[in-house]
Amino acid sequence: AQSVAQPEDQVNVAEGNPLTVKCTYSVSGNPYLFWYVQYPNRGLQFLLKYITGDNLVKGSYGFEAEFNKSQTSFHLKKPSALVSDSALYFCAVRDIPGDTGRRALTFGSGTRLQVQP
Amino acid sequence: ETGVTQTPRHLVMGMTNKKSLKCEQHLGHNAMYWYKQSAKKPLELMFVYSLEERVENNSVPSRFSPECPNSSHLFLHLHTLQPEDSALYLCASSQDTGANVLTFGAGSRLTVL
Repeated sequence: AQSVAQPEDQVNVAEGNPLTVKCTYSVSGNPYLFWYVQYPNRGLQFLLKYITGDNLVKGSYGFEAEFNKSQTSFHLKKPSALVSDSALYFCAVRDIPGDTGRRALTFGSGTRLQVQP
Repeated sequence: ETGVTQTPRHLVMGMTNKKSLKCEQHLGHNAMYWYKQSAKKPLELMFVYSLEERVENNSVPSRFSPECPNSSHLFLHLHTLQPEDSALYLCASSQDTGANVLTFGAGSRLTVL
């Protein structure tokens, strides 16, 4: 079974400060990991993904995430937050697919990021 | 626009009504999905279609009935719903059911009275 935990319902950060949104996962094998963002009245938008290779993944809008296999974490980070980054962020995971593996992503419950001016 | 269009954007229905949600993708993708989004809960995967064949069904109550007539269209037929079914229903598509990025529609906000 695959699962994702986002331990924080909300993260507050001042504009210009670094931000971190936490995600831990559980899979039976090796994971595919994703971050999505949802702005008000919109669907989810893809930010970045980890499949294999470099543990530090860079994505859209200056976001990056670090894959840590020993801690089973995939935290989302940005060096300097913008007010426009305020949104709902979702982490998602999937076991590397096999013939009997689940085919779709499992999402976390989301973390609301609030960036104050 | 993401290339995935959902209609209607808002729907209010009584518990005895029958309605349908529609999703259309213009991306040439082969896989389509229905997810349910409720506040402060993980997105719940409902159904997965690959090349018009249902490949995953996550123990969804029979009052939700999906239909995928072709690889560009996906429907969710609703009948005798309960108030707890009120949620945002998101459609998504991907190139296939591998490790590909999902493209989401804006969602259909359903309220069951």
